[in-house]
Amino acid sequence: KQEVTQIPAALSVPEGENLVLNCSFTDSAIYNLQWFRQDPGKGLTSLLLIQSSQREQTSGRLNASLDKSSGRSTLYIAASQPGDSATYLCAVPSSYGGATNKLIFGTGTLLAVQP
Amino acid sequence: KAGVTQTPRYLIKTRGQQVTLSCSPISGHRSVSWYQQTPGQGLQFLFEYFSETQRNKGNFPGRFSGRQFSNSRSEMNVSTLELGDSALYLCASSLGPTTKDNEQFFGPGTRLTVL
Repeated sequence: KQEVTQIPAALSVPEGENLVLNCSFTDSAIYNLQWFRQDPGKGLTSLLLIQSSQREQTSGRLNASLDKSSGRSTLYIAASQPGDSATYLCAVPSSYGGATNKLIFGTGTLLAVQP
Repeated sequence: KAGVTQTPRYLIKTRGQQVTLSCSPISGHRSVSWYQQTPGQGLQFLFEYFSETQRNKGNFPGRFSGRQFSNSRSEMNVSTLELGDSALYLCASSLGPTTKDNEQFFGPGTRLTVL
């Protein structure tokens, strides 16, 4: 059964700092891994999707890496801004019971960027 | 291109009532999934639909049901509401079955409060 873990649970940094969020998963047989952000009371915004055959994916100040063999992904945020404050979630499609769009989510990292 | 839309955005109901939530996926997307999000349980998978067929179902009681129409719009219904059904209900849209590049996009959610 796939399990996804995120550390740290919460992180507070001063504006301008570079930071790394971590995501671990137990079953390496994944199609892809997706990173989302969620603002309080809102829906999820897709940030990046890394396909199983890729090692990295970049979008603006965000860079996500994937190491399937070790079951890990990291989300690197460069030059953090107060507007980056949100909960960040990683998710992988469930591998149980055949191909499915059911996502298994981590518990999230609550990021606060102090001005 | 319009994103995923969910209606209504907010609902207040009393115990014992029933409720219907609606989700319109991104144009061209044929897969819709539903999730329940609560502070204590995080994001929990409800159902997944593709081409009007339920492909996967989460571990929820039979009071939770859903369907998908020929235009890919989806509805979920909760009957005999309980206090514990208070949550943010999120809908996710994607092109089709699980593939390595199948990115999922979420709507803004419906906030259901049961009194």
